[in-house]
This record gives sequence, C-alpha cells and structure tokens, in this order.
Amino acid sequence: AQKVTQAQTEISVVEKEDVTLDCVYETRDTTYYLFWYKQPPSGELVFLIRRNSFDEQNEISGRYSWNFQKSTSSFNFTITASQVVDSAVYFCALPNYGGSQGNLIFGKGTKLSVKP
Amino acid sequence: DVKVTQSSRYLVKRTGEKVFLECVQDMDHENMFWYRQDPGLGLRLIYFSYDVKMKEKGDIPEGYSVSREKKERFSLILESASTNQTSMYLCASSSRANYGYTFGSGTRLTVV
Repeated sequence: AQKVTQAQTEISVVEKEDVTLDCVYETRDTTYYLFWYKQPPSGELVFLIRRNSFDEQNEISGRYSWNFQKSTSSFNFTITASQVVDSAVYFCALPNYGGSQGNLIFGKGTKLSVKP
Repeated sequence: DVKVTQSSRYLVKRTGEKVFLECVQDMDHENMFWYRQDPGLGLRLIYFSYDVKMKEKGDIPEGYSVSREKKERFSLILESASTNQTSMYLCASSSRANYGYTFGSGTRLTVV
C-alpha cells in the first residue's frame, strides 16, 4: 500500500540553523512523483516541489534543497540558514495511483518552529 | 493568478444543521478534492471527484456528501452537522497530467 511517514512531529531550531525534515515512503509503483507542501500559520498549503522518481539528482532552490534516495525510499527536505518565516507545517506526499485518479497521500506533517 | 477559492474562512454552525462548504477553481482542473485536517491526524481525504457529476469516497466519507454539477465547483455537504465534524476543511484541485494539488485557504468549521 502507498504510505508516507514523517517521523518528526515537531522540530524547533534557532534562526540561521540548518534543519532537515525527513520523509520516508512506501509505494508499489515503479515510477511515481513525490511532493512537498508548506502550510504556514495562515492555513493555506503551498506547493514547494514535485520530483519524478526517474530523476535522483538533488534539487536546490535558494535556501531549500531536497535529497531523493530511491534506494532508501526517502525524500528529505533541508532548509539552510533557517528564518522565522520558515515556521510552518511541512507535508510530504505521494500519489495514490491505485485510486481512480491519483489522489495524494500525505504524511502527518512536521511542525517546524524557527525562533529568533 | 490561478486559484482555488473556498467560500468561507470561518464558519460556526449548530448541531443538526445542514452545512454547505463551497469550493471553486479557475484552472480548468479535472480533479477536485475535500480533506479535513485535525491535529495529530494530518490530512484525511473525505471525497474526491475526477469529472463533472462523478464522485468517489475517500477515507472518511461518513456523515458527508458532495456535489459537482460544474467542472469548476465542488461542494461538500454535512447532512446533519455534529460536534465531531469540527475541523479545518481543505479543498484542492489538480489536473490529470500533473497530480500536484492547488489548495484553497481552508474553512475552519466549528459545530456547537
């Protein structure tokens, strides 16, 4: 069955620290997408990245980077030099291809608090 | 700016009332979804729709129904609201080619 596990429920760091959010997934599919979303205190989930399982290269976008390791079924997210505005709940997600039209299955989320 | 719009940000209803939560998207997406979000439980799928007038049950459909009469609009209906339906409700849409969701800003429903 499709499953996404975010073992870290809450993380607290001080501004400018680096922080890594873990995501481990299970899938029966040979090709698939993986996603990360951010939910700031305002409540709306914001898309951060979509990664195709074909592409195992790490991706960097400013202070954000993602490490995809197919061998360990992990898709970890690192924030470098964290800022207070990074405080949010972060969700990792995987499509449920076994469903009719591919609804996303979400991990339970990691709440990141960045203190000044 | 493409978006998903949920009709209410905050809503307070009484037990037993029939409640309608509306969601409209302007991206011509085929798929639309309703989730509820509760502390410690993450996002749980209530219902989704992959075409007009089509619907499928998610993980927790009990006590809810949906309506999709037009492609851009997906309504969630609480037939008889109960206090255990107090939650944050999130609507999302996606295209079949992409799977990535665009979310609305959520409706925080309180049933008293």
